Amino acid sequence: GAGVSQSPRYKVTKRGQDVALRCDPISGHVSLYWYRQALGQGPEFLTYFNYEAQQDKSGLPNDRFSAERPEGSISTLTIQRTEQRDSAMYRCASSLMAETGRLNTGELFFGEGSRLTVL
Amino acid sequence: KNQVEQSPQSLIILEGKNCTLQCNYTVSPFSNLRWYKQDTGRGPVSLTIMTFSENTKSNGRYTATLDADTKQSSLHITASQLSDSASYICVVSGLFSGGYNKLIFGAGTRLAVHP
Repeated sequence: GAGVSQSPRYKVTKRGQDVALRCDPISGHVSLYWYRQALGQGPEFLTYFNYEAQQDKSGLPNDRFSAERPEGSISTLTIQRTEQRDSAMYRCASSLMAETGRLNTGELFFGEGSRLTVL
Repeated sequence: KNQVEQSPQSLIILEGKNCTLQCNYTVSPFSNLRWYKQDTGRGPVSLTIMTFSENTKSNGRYTATLDADTKQSSLHITASQLSDSASYICVVSGLFSGGYNKLIFGAGTRLAVHP
């Protein structure tokens, strides 16, 4: 597609429910990141994929959070048993190149985000 | 601990004036540093990307500098316009084990340009 597409744009759910957030990166992009952004703050890293391989999941807050990218394209971030503290903007970004090496300056393209509100 | 600190937290300037935003980092080993502009409610958009060997890079009225020795970067905006009102986020890429780069975000500087 022309840009990074995320869905849903807005999600309101009740505490305890599971939610799945989808990211469709720019076609051909190798790297895919998930971030979470609180109001007035910079993005907070959650997890990173290189093709279908989840290279780094150190930013996932706890085991209720998981992500997959089974075919190296579309990715899903799943939050189980949501809590109010999970409310945030969840952003996805993709890059043409794998993030490796000191000289890699692959530009990162961000989606518009999925605003999650847990009541 | 790998961190990226930005200052000031917020800034108000008059249209037409210049301003400079600061970014200090402790990320090591360093790979590259990026500045992003984020309009309210939108995703960040890249302004500049600099590797460790670059000292300065310009993008229109935006000029970024990098001192890899002192681990400092600045973003200078000249002849500010109302449309420059946004958050400016410094992102540092560090080379981690496994050979891949991890992006560490600063909290951003919120710039407001007033007429």
